[in-house]
Amino acid sequence: SAVISQKPSRDICQRGTSLTIQCQVDSQVTMMFWYRQQPGQSLTLIATANQGSEATYESGFVIDKFPISRPNLTFSTLTVSNMSPEDSSIYLCSVGFGETQYFGPGTRLLVL
Amino acid sequence: GQNIDQPTEMTATEGAIVQINCTYQTSGFNGLFWYQQHAGEAPTFLSYNVLDGLEEKGRFSSFLSRSKGYSYLLLKELQMKDSASYLCARRAGGYNKLIFGAGTRLAVHP
Repeated sequence: SAVISQKPSRDICQRGTSLTIQCQVDSQVTMMFWYRQQPGQSLTLIATANQGSEATYESGFVIDKFPISRPNLTFSTLTVSNMSPEDSSIYLCSVGFGETQYFGPGTRLLVL
Repeated sequence: GQNIDQPTEMTATEGAIVQINCTYQTSGFNGLFWYQQHAGEAPTFLSYNVLDGLEEKGRFSSFLSRSKGYSYLLLKELQMKDSASYLCARRAGGYNKLIFGAGTRLAVHP
């Protein structure tokens, strides 16, 4: 398995501002993903973070709102831009490792 | 959750056995995952099935029928700590992208 850490673990932000979430893995992995889990709901894939190229976004998510960086095989960032209260959610980094996918501890975001 | 169906809530008694069912859309199927998620925590990997049959791992077992688009998670000798949400997810295509069901909240009572 892989050990995944995320920073910050939680934050409270004002609407209109942006927050960048970091994801660090203890080993090199090809596949890294960003998910969102809104209150009381299941996980929704935002995008796949591709090393050396632009992220691949799922339907309903766009780069201007959720820019992603993947500078190397152990690190990625997700920015939540121009936040509104609807962005209040848990944001989870995930990595594909072998046949399995593991999740980081998540970043709990509250937008006021 | 994109044609993945599982019961919303279940209750069971400590020491008992519970089966959580999941049905999914079979097109593009490439593997079925079960995760456990305690309140306020990240999902924890439980099992992965890509071939038909039963995979046993301690108190937890997972079953898959690809032709029926059906899986279940079997939890034996239930403990209070098993109270959590159980998420069924399928892998789409030849790619690690996972599509999750809404999850089943399991409450274990003494």
